[in-house]
Amino acid sequence: NAGVTQTPKFQVLKTGQSMTLQCAQDMNHEYMSWYRQDPGMGLRLIHYSVGAGITDQGEVPNGYNVSRSTTEDFPLRLLSAAPSQTSVYFCASGRGQSTGELFFGEGSRLTVL
Amino acid sequence: GDSVTQMEGPVTLSEEAFLTINCTYTATGYPSLFWYVQYPGEGLQLLLKATKADDKGSNKGFEATYRKETTSFHLEKGSVQVSDSAVYFCALSDRKGFQKLVFGTGTRLLVSP
Repeated sequence: NAGVTQTPKFQVLKTGQSMTLQCAQDMNHEYMSWYRQDPGMGLRLIHYSVGAGITDQGEVPNGYNVSRSTTEDFPLRLLSAAPSQTSVYFCASGRGQSTGELFFGEGSRLTVL
Repeated sequence: GDSVTQMEGPVTLSEEAFLTINCTYTATGYPSLFWYVQYPGEGLQLLLKATKADDKGSNKGFEATYRKETTSFHLEKGSVQVSDSAVYFCALSDRKGFQKLVFGTGTRLLVSP
């Protein structure tokens, strides 16, 4: 049982480049989300999805796109990377109909030069 | 909007000392409250939770009580171990049925032998 798997674990980009952070879960969770973690600011919600084909914005969505074509996958796309997007990104999933536990991936550290 | 405030760290303790990490929240309605822990190099994992006023969550010797009158959810442990060294996040979610957690900024705990 792999849980939540994120790739890559580390990435260095130049300003203006694009990339996709991959997230996959094997727990059949309806809910998936992306957070970014920055020093002194805790975790902030970027985008989330309550099921396949449904996505919505979180607290800090600008500069990021998401899609949810399957229950298992929830990729996060940076279309034109900026230094302000240097951060650690976490994907998390959970069951859809109750407030409660989120299962987190190990994180992806992104540096934008 | 909803928010969570945690005490700033780092909190530095000797092994077997008593731990308190303060957490207060602001929310409309009656949120569920959580403590998550992040060990070095890992994603967050749920430590304990409480879903209504006066509930006490407990796990691995840690405890926290949902205090509606003081809007608090302080984390306590009677005797910390070196292996408890980690970052602890207080979080809340509303009761609309999904896991849109709002996190505090995190408190780093360092336990020395």
